[in-house]
Amino acid sequence: DVKVTQSSRYLVKRTGEKVFLECVQDMDHENMFWYRQDPGLGLRLIYFSYDVKMKEKGDIPEGYSVSREKKERFSLILESASTNQTSMYLCASSSQYRGETQYFGPGTRLLVL
Amino acid sequence: AQSVTQLDSHVSVSEGTPVLLRCNYSSSYSPSLFWYVQHPNKGLQLLLKYTSAATLVKGINGFEAEFKKSETSFHLTKPSAHMSDAAEYFCVVRRDDKIIFGKGTRLHILP
Repeated sequence: DVKVTQSSRYLVKRTGEKVFLECVQDMDHENMFWYRQDPGLGLRLIYFSYDVKMKEKGDIPEGYSVSREKKERFSLILESASTNQTSMYLCASSSQYRGETQYFGPGTRLLVL
Repeated sequence: AQSVTQLDSHVSVSEGTPVLLRCNYSSSYSPSLFWYVQHPNKGLQLLLKYTSAATLVKGINGFEAEFKKSETSFHLTKPSAHMSDAAEYFCVVRRDDKIIFGKGTRLHILP
């Protein structure tokens, strides 16, 4: 079974803190993605990566950065957390082939106070 | 440009009755289409996908969807709803590296 794991299920941080969200996949997938999910807005793509050390901005990259030093690991960084970044964060991975399925982690619910 | 519209934000059906969750897409070329389900406090799980093979796609848990190019639709159906189907459902369009999620439809099952 494909497994995508995220480092935390729940996280509480204070405004201004630096926050790291980690995602690990065990399927040797080339592509990895970070989304945030908010009620009524569906999933919105923050960043994705199609290879080690490669990254592309998604639809809402402002306030976020990412790091992909190893193929299996994709980190999302909030340099200075703000209350409007309170959300559910979902990581996904997929193979490089067109039309391939994305596999999702369980999500990290982040609360910024 | 690609887009996907889920026509209902909430759908309520009685247990044992049919389910219809509607999805319309727009895409300049033949896209791949997916339905995902998200149960409370869980990640997204693939229900089924269409990638230009058979237009009627069968998925897990008795769900199926039909790709209708003339109507640009990919509606999700199930003949008989079960209480465990209560969840949020997302229609997704993918063309190369561009992936677009619908805003989701929350399915409520009435006893």
